[in-house]
Amino acid sequence: AQTVTQSQPEMSVQEAETVTLSCTYDTSESDYYLFWYKQPPSRQMILVIRQEAYKQQNATENRFSVNFQKAAKSFSLKISDSQLGDAAMYFCAYQGSARQLTFGSGTQLTVLP
Amino acid sequence: DAGVIQSPRHEVTEMGQEVTLRCKPISGHDYLFWYRQTMMRGLELLIYFNNNVPIDDSGMPEDRFSAKMPNASFSTLKIQPSEPRDSAVYFCASSLRYRSNYGYTFGSGTRLTVV
Repeated sequence: AQTVTQSQPEMSVQEAETVTLSCTYDTSESDYYLFWYKQPPSRQMILVIRQEAYKQQNATENRFSVNFQKAAKSFSLKISDSQLGDAAMYFCAYQGSARQLTFGSGTQLTVLP
Repeated sequence: DAGVIQSPRHEVTEMGQEVTLRCKPISGHDYLFWYRQTMMRGLELLIYFNNNVPIDDSGMPEDRFSAKMPNASFSTLKIQPSEPRDSAVYFCASSLRYRSNYGYTFGSGTRLTVV
């Protein structure tokens, strides 16, 4: 079974600075998708960014980018120019041949003014 | 599009009572998922449907839990009888097709408290 590990339960960043959230996963599959979801206090799960495993190029969405290291099974999220609205719980998720998403335990991000 | 709609947003019930959570997926989405979120176990998949048919219910914790999808626009998750350990946030999510890079669209969740 696939597992997703987020080793940082909590992180903090100063407003306008850059922060990187870590995620590792374990799988024997070669074709899969990886996601980062954001859950603010409203508890709505919001898709932040996605990455296809067959693509070597790292995905980017505005201030959000990933560092995807397939051999190392690592998928970190970088948030540039952090804003107060970025404060939330961030979940890394894996989707392989099974339909469901497997989530990590989450990283609570605090943005300091 | 109104997104995935869940009701109620909050539910407080007494132990032993029946609880029904409701979900309306995005029109046209052919996969529907029910997840449960707790502090101890995080986000865990309970069951998912494809074209209204249950595909994998291995995550349903006990026989007290049941889920149905009578049509493409409606699903229910029922707990009977409810217990305090069922207290959690229950999410419904839908997807246009599996293994696509669209990911899921989640509803806003139902916070269930069983006292």
